[in-house]
Amino acid sequence: SQQGEEDPQALSIQEGENATMNCSYKTSINNLQWYRQNSGRGLVHLILIRSNEREKHSGRLRVTLDTSKKSSSLLITASRAADTASYFCATEGGTSYGKLTFGQGTILTVHP
Amino acid sequence: EAQVTQNPRYLITVTGKKLTVTCSQNMNHEYMSWYRQDPGLGLRQIYYSMNVEVTDKGDVPEGYKVSRKEKRNFPLILESPSPNQTSLYFCASSFQGSYEQYFGPGTRLTVT
Repeated sequence: SQQGEEDPQALSIQEGENATMNCSYKTSINNLQWYRQNSGRGLVHLILIRSNEREKHSGRLRVTLDTSKKSSSLLITASRAADTASYFCATEGGTSYGKLTFGQGTILTVHP
Repeated sequence: EAQVTQNPRYLITVTGKKLTVTCSQNMNHEYMSWYRQDPGLGLRQIYYSMNVEVTDKGDVPEGYKVSRKEKRNFPLILESPSPNQTSLYFCASSFQGSYEQYFGPGTRLTVT
């Protein structure tokens, strides 16, 4: 399995601070995606980064991908209390189109 | 409104009683998938479908069946549910494999 592993498992910060979450995986990938989940609800897609890309931005989100280290990071700048959620990375394998493997997630708590 | 719907949202059943969880999307997506989410294990893919009449196993297909007779529907069938299938189930769809996925609201299943 090329399951992503996320670090840290939990992160607690104050509003206005930046939050960084990391994801590592084991084998080659087509793409890596980040999702957010609010307590027991459906996941919401944040960013997809393909294996030939190194960095992507979307609003306050910045994702990097280092395929040589098989790792990715998600940076949320100027965090808000509404960013409190679980964040998951998911990888699609090099030859397994459509087969998505999720990490166990990082629980982010942003204190007002 | 573009969405993925699942029914039922909550279900309590007994061991061995066949059940079906429906999933429908109105976005004309080719790709659909089922996941289960368990504490400490994250999301794990059960089955996925790249198009009508095409289905493939994910990481945890045992005990489940799927069919994709129409583009918009992808039901999950538990022929003989067991307590270890108690979980939170999510259906998702995307334009194609290798694209961001849109998740349904989830179905909380309890098998006693």
